[in-house]
Amino acid sequence: ETGVTQTPRHLVMGMTNKKSLKCEQHLGHNAMYWYKQSAKKPLELMFVYSLEERVENNSVPSRFSPECPNSSHLFLHLHTLQPEDSALYLCASREGSGANVLTFGAGSRLTVL
Amino acid sequence: QKEVEQNSGPLSVPEGAIASLNCTYSDRGSQSFFWYRQYSGKSPELIMSIYSNGDKEDGRFTAQLNKASQYVSLLIRDSQPSDSATYLCAVTMNSGYSTLTFGKGTMLLVSP
Repeated sequence: ETGVTQTPRHLVMGMTNKKSLKCEQHLGHNAMYWYKQSAKKPLELMFVYSLEERVENNSVPSRFSPECPNSSHLFLHLHTLQPEDSALYLCASREGSGANVLTFGAGSRLTVL
Repeated sequence: QKEVEQNSGPLSVPEGAIASLNCTYSDRGSQSFFWYRQYSGKSPELIMSIYSNGDKEDGRFTAQLNKASQYVSLLIRDSQPSDSATYLCAVTMNSGYSTLTFGKGTMLLVSP
């Protein structure tokens, strides 16, 4: 247990479904991240939330929508996904400035049929 | 486009040997360098960080950084089968949002 909890751990959805991934950190960190990990590809940064300010990778399709209601919770809302979106979605958190060290959750394995 | 390059492997070493994992990066302004270990089916975990040129040792692990050559490496001494995992190199400009750029990772296999 890293202190960053992701649910669900596994998700299978059709292309027309709407689902959400949830992340909660119990570390008192100030920033939270969504990363996508696909086979044979580097970890890809999708979104960053720091002190309620959102930074995003402009290449992420709009079918992925993040929500950060507070510094401990982060959601990734999914709708009309494509099979190529099947991947491991990792949430991470970072403590205060200067540390630059991420703590990852266990990930949510998403399969889009 | 910032890039971090790693040999995907697998790198196979016998138990007790030294495993050497290498990483190069394209952004000369990079300031912070990290090695994460990821076991199959698990999330990445930080094992080493290095910020200045030279060597940094932590137990069986030694990170080496050469900013002039844009090269960072990880040495694992006395490799154990439990070290078998994928090792991810990550680099950052040390910005306020810590936007790490990751390599694809090198798979290490340590045989008993």
